[in-house]
Amino acid sequence: KAGVTQTPRYLIKTRGQQVTLSCSPISGHRSVSWYQQTPGQGLQFLFEYFSETQRNKGNFPGRFSGRQFSNSRSEMNVSTLELGDSALYLCASSWTGRTEAFFGQGTRLTVV
Amino acid sequence: DQQVKQNSPSLSVQEGRISILNCDYTNSMFDYFLWYKKYPAEGPTFLISISSIKDKNEDGRFTVFLNKSAKHLSLHIVPSQPGDSAVYFCAARYTTNSGGSNYKLTFGKGTLLTVNP
Repeated sequence: KAGVTQTPRYLIKTRGQQVTLSCSPISGHRSVSWYQQTPGQGLQFLFEYFSETQRNKGNFPGRFSGRQFSNSRSEMNVSTLELGDSALYLCASSWTGRTEAFFGQGTRLTVV
Repeated sequence: DQQVKQNSPSLSVQEGRISILNCDYTNSMFDYFLWYKKYPAEGPTFLISISSIKDKNEDGRFTVFLNKSAKHLSLHIVPSQPGDSAVYFCAARYTTNSGGSNYKLTFGKGTLLTVNP
């Protein structure tokens, strides 16, 4: 069974630009969550999607948005990038009703 | 407001000895706790979990202890091996809806474990 796949693995963007990150969950998993990891801050929850609907949301500004498609694949978008958005963005998928989430390798975003 | 706290940013242990990683939480609504391990340039991988109705769960070299009255859990690794060197994240779950199918995980900031040969 293939794991969670995130693309791209690395990304360099300029301040003010926007970026879209992609996540393909494990087959059969309908819940997809996104996290931001920065040094010293651990994993901060961005949002969770289930059946194409945003079910939970963390405390991030509206510049951070996402969506989920009918095949459970998810995208995350960050508009008007700031230097502080540089981080590892992780996607995790889980089966409905299950707790253990399986993470992808992440997308390392650098904003210059 | 950080609801899950890992107060030790790092821990260094000798190979073969016990590693004890600690985690404190503040939300009494948490009903399930998990530990994840993360190597550099990889996503976190699930290690072990425990329900709030239990006080101990064991899986091979890994044991998690839960003290609900103290709102504290710990992960014990015995014996520690150099390959255990990684960042360990504690996570806690609560159910956000009455149907019991909508969960939200909150993570601590992680503890870097270094096991020296």
